[in-house]
Amino acid sequence: QQQVKQSPQSLIVQKGGISIINCAYENTAFDYFPWYQQFPGKGPALLIAIRPDVSEKKEGRFTISFNKSAKQFSLHIMDSQPGDSATYFCAVFNAGGTSYGKLTFGQGTILTVHP
Amino acid sequence: SQTIHQWPATLVQPVGSPLSLECTVEGTSNPNLYWYRQAAGRGLQLLFYSVGIGQISSEVPQNLSASRPQDRQFILSSKKLLLSDSGFYLCAWSVRVGAHEQYFGPGTRLTVT
Repeated sequence: QQQVKQSPQSLIVQKGGISIINCAYENTAFDYFPWYQQFPGKGPALLIAIRPDVSEKKEGRFTISFNKSAKQFSLHIMDSQPGDSATYFCAVFNAGGTSYGKLTFGQGTILTVHP
Repeated sequence: SQTIHQWPATLVQPVGSPLSLECTVEGTSNPNLYWYRQAAGRGLQLLFYSVGIGQISSEVPQNLSASRPQDRQFILSSKKLLLSDSGFYLCAWSVRVGAHEQYFGPGTRLTVT
């Protein structure tokens, strides 16, 4: 049961360009929509997250756009830099009304930014 | 500040051998703990989670098991490894109540030969 579909699988961008990664989800009962960044050989780290009652959130060069009716959200990286080269995962979070919160991840996008 | 440790960093084991991966968290109390597996070129698959000592929930039936003998210690085990168990194993923690932010450890690269 795949609840999150992420695209593209890989993305090559020139330095200074805009990187866009998209995710679509299948269930309406989620509480947060985070993006994680993973460098090779390391564990993922939270990059930015958005709640379903907000349409856009910006932190520095990173922006999440959220379309609740379409059940889609995307990550935009402005002025992409070679240091942004990493694998990006979207995720959906269900607090579940208990002490356990479950993250379900997309399949990941390998971003390469050429200098 | 909080820190999460995993060991070993890399491991090569023959098929049929046992497995024990350990994860410890410092600087926090009563965390939720998670084990994920990441196969090459794929996303993160949640294997187990724990909300307290001795409380383990399994997400995917398999030949792996998990235990939480102490509040900040999480162990992933297997009695007999399969080739399909190869992958990158990640431990993570979060605060107790519904946190969307999980903090991942450095991971263990397991190769079953």
